[in-house]
Amino acid sequence: AQKITQTQPGMFVQEKEAVTLDCTYDTSDQSYGLFWYKQPSSGEMIFLIYQGSYDEQNATEGRYSLNFQKARKSANLVISASQLGDSAMYFCAMREGRNTGFQKLVFGTGTRLLVSP
Amino acid sequence: KAGVTQTPRYLIKTRGQQVTLSCSPISGHRSVSWYQQTPGQGLQFLFEYFSETQRNKGNFPGRFSGRQFSNSRSEMNVSTLELGDSALYLCASSSRVVASTDTQYFGPGTRLTVL
Repeated sequence: AQKITQTQPGMFVQEKEAVTLDCTYDTSDQSYGLFWYKQPSSGEMIFLIYQGSYDEQNATEGRYSLNFQKARKSANLVISASQLGDSAMYFCAMREGRNTGFQKLVFGTGTRLLVSP
Repeated sequence: KAGVTQTPRYLIKTRGQQVTLSCSPISGHRSVSWYQQTPGQGLQFLFEYFSETQRNKGNFPGRFSGRQFSNSRSEMNVSTLELGDSALYLCASSSRVVASTDTQYFGPGTRLTVL
């Protein structure tokens, strides 16, 4: 069965610094997709970044990048130049069967990030 | 393009009642998935609908059901509510194109409180 592990319940970072949020995963599937979502206190899940298991390059989206190490089964999120608005819960998620359209996401327990001035 | 919308945003019900939540996907998206989020169990997949058919179901009792209409809007229903059903219910839509970057976009959620 799929499993996502986020070992950091909470992280603190100062504004303008970079921060790495850890995510490891476990799957027997060769084809899968990895996602990061941000959930502010309002509750909405905001999509940040995606990495496919066959993608050779690490994904980047603006200030977000995903440090994908397939052999170690890790998909860490790096936020550069943190902003106060980055304070939120961050969830790592995995979808099996990248090319099948299979839509079930399995989520980790999340990391609460607090950005201080 | 408008995002995923969910109604109502907040609901208070009592045990034994039933409730219906609604989700309108992003225009052009044909897949709608539902998730339950609780402090104890985290985010759990409920079910996915595509072309008015349930394609996948999570490990939830039969009290949880859903449907999808021809315009891709979806509803989920919970019958005989229990205290443990109190949760944030999130709906997500995707285009369900068979492509590597198919992504689920979430709505703001419906917060259900069962008293």
